[in-house]
Amino acid sequence: EAQVTQNPRYLITVTGKKLTVTCSQNMNHEYMSWYRQDPGLGLRQIYYSMNVEVTDKGDVPEGYKVSRKEKRNFPLILESPSPNQTSLYFCASSFFNDGYYEQYFGPGTRLTVT
Amino acid sequence: GQQVMQIPQYQHVQEGEDFTTYCNSSTTLSNIQWYKQRPGGHPVFLIQLVKSGEVKKQKRLTFQFGEAKKNSSLHITATQTTDVGTYFCAGHADYKLSFGAGTTVTVRA
Repeated sequence: EAQVTQNPRYLITVTGKKLTVTCSQNMNHEYMSWYRQDPGLGLRQIYYSMNVEVTDKGDVPEGYKVSRKEKRNFPLILESPSPNQTSLYFCASSFFNDGYYEQYFGPGTRLTVT
Repeated sequence: GQQVMQIPQYQHVQEGEDFTTYCNSSTTLSNIQWYKQRPGGHPVFLIQLVKSGEVKKQKRLTFQFGEAKKNSSLHITATQTTDVGTYFCAGHADYKLSFGAGTTVTVRA
């Protein structure tokens, strides 16, 4: 089954404690992306990657890191989480090179930073 | 940077009525996509529009892309309870995808 998986689905942590949210896709997609969703703000892109070892900042990259060492995985790293990073996070993937960019979203990770 | 504005933020619709949600970009887009997110779920792709002036239909949903490729609309006819959710437009330019804030639709039976 074609899918994007994220782990964990729910996470409560404390300020400053490093965490990683994993994202994996099984569709051989080139393009992967992380979004955060906050009420009234829609989905805001944090980072995106057009292929292995190619990443770039989205609209709200501050406080986040990513890596793309393998095509299927795109982890999101919060080195020192703060309460303003409490949000619902989505990973998404798509093909990139054929002009058709349907994004497949993971189920989401709800993060609370206290 | 690129900004995508979407209105209205909320749409309360009587079952059977029509409604439209609008999307405007500050920059010219290479394409625009529409997604639907059910309460508690993740966004699900509905459609992509690429050409200037393009119109596409999916049953009761009609999608349009403006001539200048800076605006788009989604029109739903004869709204049903299954249409409940939040509809997002997403503009694609320079490898980035910028989402509007979404239109949250509730339906009165």
